[in-house]
Parts: sequence; structure tokens; C-alpha cells
Amino acid sequence: DAVMTQSPLSLPVTLGQSASISCRSSQSLVHGDGNIYLNWFHQRPGQSPRRLIYKVSDRDSGVPDRFSGSGSGTDFTLRISRVEAEDVGVYYCMQATHWPYTFGQGTKLEIK
Amino acid sequence: EVQLVESGGGLVQPGRSLRLSCAISGFIFNDHAMHWVRQAPGKGLEWVSGIFWHGNNTGYADSVKGRFTTSRDNVKNSLYLQMHSLRAEDTALYYCVGDNVPGGADYWGQGTLVTVSS
Repeated sequence: DAVMTQSPLSLPVTLGQSASISCRSSQSLVHGDGNIYLNWFHQRPGQSPRRLIYKVSDRDSGVPDRFSGSGSGTDFTLRISRVEAEDVGVYYCMQATHWPYTFGQGTKLEIK
Repeated sequence: EVQLVESGGGLVQPGRSLRLSCAISGFIFNDHAMHWVRQAPGKGLEWVSGIFWHGNNTGYADSVKGRFTTSRDNVKNSLYLQMHSLRAEDTALYYCVGDNVPGGADYWGQGTLVTVSS
């Protein structure tokens, strides 16, 4: 199974500052069709996860352009510029290149 | 509007069985893979199982393999998770998840809570 390792697990951020979350896979996430199925999700307390980014860097409809994804192979990053109060919660990376799909442990973003 | 509505959760004793259902509307269910993802209280997300659109190909996490079975009814637009030999560690909120694109996990339900306890 592809083990997904996120860091940091806790991320205190000042409003208006930027934040980055790393996600590393134990194996390449390049699918046989040439795509990389690496998604990022945001989960607020008491809510279902919401996808922000799919295929490494494609932003979902309605997601502010403050959110961006990058990476290749086994190393991926979610970047949030100009953090706002609504960004608090837990962020998960998830790979869907290999079955079973696997998630990172989650990164809890909080406002300092 | 896409809706995934889970049902069937509840309190069950260890060793017993439970069947979860997910009713899907608002997207072309037949064409895409569907999944069950769970979240234990205060913990992260764990993919439990998945099933391709044709239903002939399924996958399971090692933690549930041999105990859980996923199936789908493309006529009823429904997804199911049959759970046997339940354990305390299966206690979690179970989400029904749909792919609108391959590997997308685009759509999530609100979850149904399964509590395994004597």
C-alpha cells in the first residue's frame, strides 16, 4: 500500500500569512495512464471532508485561488496564501493512483 | 444537486453484523467508482472499500478484508456495505464517497455512525 506521510501535523498560522503542508508517498503516484491522482481535502469540525485540489494541482470549483497544489512523483505540497479564519480545520492528502486509496494522517491548521 | 445519503448505522454488539446503505442522486452513478471511507472518533480518514462502476472489481483495506463486502445496485443508484464480525475498532463515522472523475473522491455524504460496543 502507498503510505502517505504529512507534515507538519499541527500548523499554527497568523492571519494573512502563508502556510504549506507536505505530503510524501512511499511509492510513485504516477498512474499507468500518466496522471497523478493526488487530492487534497479540508475538513471542518462536524463536517464531511471537502475536496480542494485534485490531480496534484487542479483546483475545485469555488475554491479560492489562495489554495494551490504542486508536486510530482512522491512529493506534494498544498500551499495556502493569505490564511483566513475560515481555513481552520484539518487538511488531508489522499492518493487514488493505487488501490487501496490511502490518506495522510491529517494536518490541523489553527490561527495563532 | 449531488446527494449521497447514508443509512443503517447504529449500536451493535461485537461479533454481530450490520448493513449500511447509500442512496445516490444527482450524478451519473453508473459510470463511476464508489467508496466507503470511515473516520473513528477524533481520528483521521481511512479508506475502507471501493467498487468499480460495473461491480466486478472491488477492493478492501486489510483491516476489513474478509469481513466487509461492498456491492452496488446501478438500477437503484445505491451502494451497500455489509459488515460482519464487527469489532470495537470498527466504531466510526462511515462516509459514502463517489468519484465523478477517476480517483476523484468528488462527492461525500454526511456519514452514518457505527458504534460497536457491548
